[in-house]
Amino acid sequence: EAQVTQNPRYLITVTGKKLTVTCSQNMNHEYMSWYRQDPGLGLRQIYYSMNVEVTDKGDVPEGYKVSRKEKRNFPLILESPSPNQTSLYFCASRSQGNTQYFGPGTRLTVL
Amino acid sequence: KQEVTQIPAALSVPEGENLVLNCSFTDSAIYNLQWFRQDPGKGLTSLLLIQSSQREQTSGRLNASLDKSSGRSTLYIAASQPGDSATYLCAVGPNMDSNYQLIWGAGTKLIIKP
Repeated sequence: EAQVTQNPRYLITVTGKKLTVTCSQNMNHEYMSWYRQDPGLGLRQIYYSMNVEVTDKGDVPEGYKVSRKEKRNFPLILESPSPNQTSLYFCASRSQGNTQYFGPGTRLTVL
Repeated sequence: KQEVTQIPAALSVPEGENLVLNCSFTDSAIYNLQWFRQDPGKGLTSLLLIQSSQREQTSGRLNASLDKSSGRSTLYIAASQPGDSATYLCAVGPNMDSNYQLIWGAGTKLIIKP
């Protein structure tokens, strides 16, 4: 089954404790991205990757890092999480036909 | 700067009704427009993708239209069912020269009452 997976689905952590949210897709898509979704603000892009070893900032990259060492994986790293990063995070990949496929989301709470 | 608006933010209708969800955008120079469905606790599912050269797309009981000149898209749902209850989001793809960052509306939360 074609899918985008994220882990963990839920995470509660404390300020300053480094964390990584993993994202993996099995569709051999080149383009992947990370979004955060906050009430009333819609989805905002954090980072995107056009291909392996090619990443760039989206609209709200501050406080986040990503890497793309292999095509299927695109982890999101929070080196020092803060409460304003409490949000619902989505990973997505894009097909050649420009349809976006989303992971199930990761709900992160930073205390 | 492209802005995408969805009004209303929430909509409640009785089962069986036909309904229309609205999406408007400020810059008509778009590459495509997509409609997504989001269920609580789940990710987003792509429903329909309309290329800029197209006027509409249909999938089952769903029909999406696109009018670039007026900056509007509508999602028509025929014979609504309780299972259609979800949040519906539209997203505009600005152009292929960009990173293909989608610009999102905030969504319309739809409740279908049995």
